[in-house]
Amino acid sequence: GENVEQHPSTLSVQEGDSAVIKCTYSDSASNYFPWYKQELGKGPQLIIDIRSNVGEKKDQRIAVTLNKTAKHFSLHITETQPEDSAVYFCAASLPYGNNRLAFGKGNQVVVIP
Amino acid sequence: NAGVTQTPKFRILKIGQSMTLQCTQDMNHNYMYWYRQDPGMGLKLIYYSVGAGITDKGEVPNGYNVSRSTTEDFPLRLELAAPSQTSVYFCASSYQGAEAFFGQGTRLTVV
Repeated sequence: GENVEQHPSTLSVQEGDSAVIKCTYSDSASNYFPWYKQELGKGPQLIIDIRSNVGEKKDQRIAVTLNKTAKHFSLHITETQPEDSAVYFCAASLPYGNNRLAFGKGNQVVVIP
Repeated sequence: NAGVTQTPKFRILKIGQSMTLQCTQDMNHNYMYWYRQDPGMGLKLIYYSVGAGITDKGEVPNGYNVSRSTTEDFPLRLELAAPSQTSVYFCASSYQGAEAFFGQGTRLTVV
């Protein structure tokens, strides 16, 4: 089955700097890659997603890039703010998987004011 | 729209007790899911449903059961609670090919 790995497990950045989280996946047939943000005590919330027919997608301060050849995709957060502190999960769709996702283990991002 | 609503938010069970975690969504989504989240382990799929009357096992179904009698509701049943089922449980829903919306979670402790 699909295996999704995230690196690094924790990331500390100074406010205003950029943060990059990378995920790798194992099944080349996966075609949908969302990123979720989870704040303490809350459920995950989609922040950005990308499909396999696109190499990059941007939404204000966040962007996602996809490298299908290398089977990895990355989340980029620019001009980080304290409210960006959270756990971020990447996921990859399971091929023929009835809309199911395989999740990574999550990255704790801490933005230091 | 309320989105995905889970009840209760917290629960403590004794070993061997049973309970039902409730999940309802008002977005008319056909897909619904139950995940458990353990520290440092991400989200593991327990059961999912592609529509009313249809359910299927995910990665970690043992010790759980589900039903989907309506589009809106997808309850998760624990029949004989065990300490290994201590976790945070999330219900989610989606429309085919679109983003998944998550509930706020149920924190369950089995003692």
